Amino acid sequence: ETGVTQSPTHLIKTRGQQVTLRCSSQSGHNTVSWYQQALGQGPQFIFQYYREEENGRGNFPPRFSGLQFPNYSSELNVNALELDDSALYLCASSSQGNSPLHFGNGTRLTVT
Amino acid sequence: QQQVKQSPQSLIVQKGGISIINCAYENTAFDYFPWYQQFPGKGPALLIAIRPDVSEKKEGRFTISFNKSAKQFSLHIMDSQPGDSATYFCAARRRSNFGNEKLTFGTGTRLTIIP
Repeated sequence: ETGVTQSPTHLIKTRGQQVTLRCSSQSGHNTVSWYQQALGQGPQFIFQYYREEENGRGNFPPRFSGLQFPNYSSELNVNALELDDSALYLCASSSQGNSPLHFGNGTRLTVT
Repeated sequence: QQQVKQSPQSLIVQKGGISIINCAYENTAFDYFPWYQQFPGKGPALLIAIRPDVSEKKEGRFTISFNKSAKQFSLHIMDSQPGDSATYFCAARRRSNFGNEKLTFGTGTRLTIIP
């Protein structure tokens, strides 16, 4: 069974740039969620995708957007990067129906 | 508004001792309460979870105690080992008919087990 994989592991961007982070869900899982974890904090829910549609969103501005593909993999896009966007971005997958979330190891984004 | 409050922020326990981490929530619509363990450079890993219809759940050395009336739950790690040194997060999920998996996390507890 393949777990949740994310790429890249680390990324450095400049303020104002755009970034795309990628996630492959765990085998058998059809729902993908994205979380932002600032240093020393708990993960914060960004949004969730099911059947290629956004199914729930946290308190994040529209410059955070996502996609889910037919194979259940997903992308997180962030436009107009700000310094405060520096964080660990976590992808989690699950099976539809209130099943446990399984997290990847995240992408560490640094905005300078 | 923080909906799940976690304490303590950090905890040092001697090897073989009991580690206890506490969480409190406000939203009575929460129906699922997992605990996650996170090592540096890794994503959170599900440790154990409980639903509010039971007061305690035990898996190996890990036990969740749940007090529905007080809206509190805690993680107990028995016979704590150096390998348990990690950051622990409690979380809560609101029931949803549409399967929205949104978790609300606490702020984390950094646990250090000393010899």
